[in-house]
Amino acid sequence: GAVVSQHPSRVICKSGTSVKIECRSLDFQATTMFWYRQFPKQSLMLMATSNEGSKATYEQGVEKDKFLINHASLTLSTLTVTSAHPEDSSFYICSAGRGGQADTQYFGPGTRLTVL
Amino acid sequence: AQSVTQPDIHITVSEGASLELRCNYSYGATPYLFWYVQSPGQGLQLLLKYFSGDTLVQGIKGFEAEFKRSQSSFNLRKPSVHWSDAAEYFCAVAGTDSWGKLQFGAGTQVVVTP
Repeated sequence: GAVVSQHPSRVICKSGTSVKIECRSLDFQATTMFWYRQFPKQSLMLMATSNEGSKATYEQGVEKDKFLINHASLTLSTLTVTSAHPEDSSFYICSAGRGGQADTQYFGPGTRLTVL
Repeated sequence: AQSVTQPDIHITVSEGASLELRCNYSYGATPYLFWYVQSPGQGLQLLLKYFSGDTLVQGIKGFEAEFKRSQSSFNLRKPSVHWSDAAEYFCAVAGTDSWGKLQFGAGTQVVVTP
């Protein structure tokens, strides 16, 4: 149990376009989902926390108008990178947590975004 | 501010040999502590976690970690590595009042040689 999927696994887009990444909890309801960004050979950096039905909370330095997060249901959160630029190229990872349990997050396999 | 340090960027170990990965943290109180493993094409997988209680924690795949408050460390160990243990390993901490906000170390790349 506790499987999290991401779609797409890889995406290449042109500069200036927007890209949507989906994160789904397949076998549990995730009241909270998290979005991370991982640069090559570096660690994961938390971008934002999203709770179902409410606005996401962004970490300092993360542009909320650039990285739009929607958590419309208990099994789906989306991250939209708007007007993408080459510097947005990165590995984006989501995780999902079960509400009320102060323990683990379950991570998706990640999405590799390349902006040309 | 809290921080997580993994001093070793890269470790090479022979198959069958023991492995120890270091993790030090800086935090105002005892945080929640985690070790994750990341393999190519797969999501991060939790190896083990420490919240409280016994300071020696057993995890999956034969891994264990020991919390040492006096040293602010949470080192990961495995007595005998297998080729399949080659991966990137991340130590992470979360505050007890914000368990969801994981802060990760820089990671340690483990290479296993025959």
